[in-house]
Amino acid sequence: DVKVTQSSRYLVKRTGEKVFLECVQDMDHENMFWYRQDPGLGLRLIYFSYDVKMKEKGDIPEGYSVSREKKERFSLILESASTNQTSMYLCASSGPGEAEAFFGQGTRLTVV
Amino acid sequence: QKEVEQNSGPLSVPEGAIASLNCTYSDRGSQSFFWYRQYSGKSPELIMFIYSNGDKEDGRFTAQLNKASQYVSLLIRDSQPSDSATYLCAAGGSQGNLIFGKGTKLSVKP
Repeated sequence: DVKVTQSSRYLVKRTGEKVFLECVQDMDHENMFWYRQDPGLGLRLIYFSYDVKMKEKGDIPEGYSVSREKKERFSLILESASTNQTSMYLCASSGPGEAEAFFGQGTRLTVV
Repeated sequence: QKEVEQNSGPLSVPEGAIASLNCTYSDRGSQSFFWYRQYSGKSPELIMFIYSNGDKEDGRFTAQLNKASQYVSLLIRDSQPSDSATYLCAAGGSQGNLIFGKGTKLSVKP
């Protein structure tokens, strides 16, 4: 079974904190993605990566950065957390081309 | 902007009926299409994918693709209360990412 694991299920952080969300996949997938999901807005792509040290901006990259130092790990960084970044964050991975994406269990982040 | 459009619902069907979920996409270059099911508070899980025009059946689920009309649908036969969830349609993007619709909420009433 494909396994995509996110480091935390629930997280509460204070405004202005630097926040790290970690994601690990065990299927040797090239592609990894970070989405956020908000009611009425659906899944919105923040960043994705095709390969180690490669990153591409998605639809809403502002306020976020990413790191991919190893193929299996993709980290999302909130440089200075704000209340409007309170959301469900979903990591996903996929093989090459237009392949199906497999999701982690999600991290519900609350910024207070 | 490449988009996938879905009716947000909620779509309500009685138990045992056929649920029909629809989706349109804007990028004619998309080659692959996916249906995900997402229970409340959970992450999306893949239930069907389809690459070719026509129908693809898997148990109670049938995916239909019409590339000329840029239309994808999912039929759920003999709907069960456990099918109540949000269904996300996705189309393959040119950069290897998937473009998701906002989802249709399905409610199956016993």
